[in-house]
Amino acid sequence: DIQMTQSPASLSASVGETVTITCRASENIYSYLAWYQQKQGKSPQLLVYNAKTLAEGVPSRFSGSGSGTQFSLKINSLQPEDFGSYYCQHHYGTPLTFGAGTKLELK
Amino acid sequence: EVLLQQSGPELVKPGASVKIPCKASGYTFTDYNMDWVKQSHGKSLEWIGDINPNNGGTIYNQKFKGKATLTVDKSSSTAYMELRSLTSEDTAVYYCARWGLLDYFDYWGQGTTLTVSS
Repeated sequence: DIQMTQSPASLSASVGETVTITCRASENIYSYLAWYQQKQGKSPQLLVYNAKTLAEGVPSRFSGSGSGTQFSLKINSLQPEDFGSYYCQHHYGTPLTFGAGTKLELK
Repeated sequence: EVLLQQSGPELVKPGASVKIPCKASGYTFTDYNMDWVKQSHGKSLEWIGDINPNNGGTIYNQKFKGKATLTVDKSSSTAYMELRSLTSEDTAVYYCARWGLLDYFDYWGQGTTLTVSS
């Protein structure tokens, strides 16, 4: 199985700051990577797919990059609604696997 | 509007089975595969498996083979996941999620909380 290693596990930041979350795959997954946001008590929501394509309706302050084994999700100018948990997930064959998640908290 | 409607919380005794529904609306049910994802409390997400509603074909995560069975009822646009021989390790929130045409989960159900306890 492909292992997805996500860092950091948690992150404290203030409104207006820029943060970056990274995800490393245990083998080459090309650009078959998605990012999801999950707020407390809610289901995950797609942010980015194919490593860098924003899902419909996702603000442009979010951006995804990377290919192969190294990926990142950058959030510019954090807004109050951005706090929550973020997960990467590969979609290069089965089983699909997710990163352990990054909890983004308000400083 | 695409909606995946899941059932309310379930409290089940150890050793029993449970069948969780996911009713789809707002799109042609047979055009998209349906997947199931487990989230244990405070933890990450685990992919359970995938079903093609058109032909009932399934792909399972090896970890959940023998534990989960995925089925569909095309007449009611409902996907089901049955979990058997339940233990406390099965206590979690279970989500159904539509597998989008570009290979990602584009819509999620609200989740069904399963508690296994005597």
